[in-house]
Amino acid sequence: QQQVKQSPQSLIVQKGGISIINCAYENTAFDYFPWYQQFPGKGPALLIAIRPDVSEKKEGRFTISFNKSAKQFSLHIMDSQPGDSATYFCAASSGAYSGAGSYQLTFGKGTKLSVIP
Amino acid sequence: DSGVTQTPKHLITATGQRVTLRCSPRSGDLSVYWYQQSLDQGLQFLIQYYNGEERAKGNILERFSAQQFPDLHSELNLSSLELGDSALYFCASSVDLRNSPLHFGNGTRLTVT
Repeated sequence: QQQVKQSPQSLIVQKGGISIINCAYENTAFDYFPWYQQFPGKGPALLIAIRPDVSEKKEGRFTISFNKSAKQFSLHIMDSQPGDSATYFCAASSGAYSGAGSYQLTFGKGTKLSVIP
Repeated sequence: DSGVTQTPKHLITATGQRVTLRCSPRSGDLSVYWYQQSLDQGLQFLIQYYNGEERAKGNILERFSAQQFPDLHSELNLSSLELGDSALYFCASSVDLRNSPLHFGNGTRLTVT
């Protein structure tokens, strides 16, 4: 059972464009939604995270949009650069703020982003 | 550099064999997680330890086991290896159990021939 569905699997964007990656979840107990960035040969690294009482969070060129009623959240990368080329994973966990839950992250299957000059 | 150290980086072994993967968490982190990454399944949670105690199990096979030692390093033992066990195995650590970020190591690439 895949609890976090991520799309698209791959994405090609021109330099300076906007990259958008979408995720949908099923478990309404999820209360922590991070995005991880992974470069080849490296482990995933936390990029940005959001909690469900916030609809949007922005850090530099990276923005998470969150729609609790639709159970969807997305990552927007503004002014995409070739250095942003990586695999992006959305994830979710429960219990981060309620204190009751499994805590461990459930990951989407990843989106391979290629930003071409 | 995440501060999480995994050894070895690469491991090639034959079917039926047993291997041990090692992880040293970031200094101060009490929680250790193991994940398996394959092309078709993405990042699959295997098991979590907190301060030496097992806290959660995910999709971990009975042939696999793990432990966290008093110095907080962790080992993942994989036995009776099958071709399908070939994957990247990541260790991650965090300060506590809740919404603290996970810091991943660079993984151990296991190839079973």
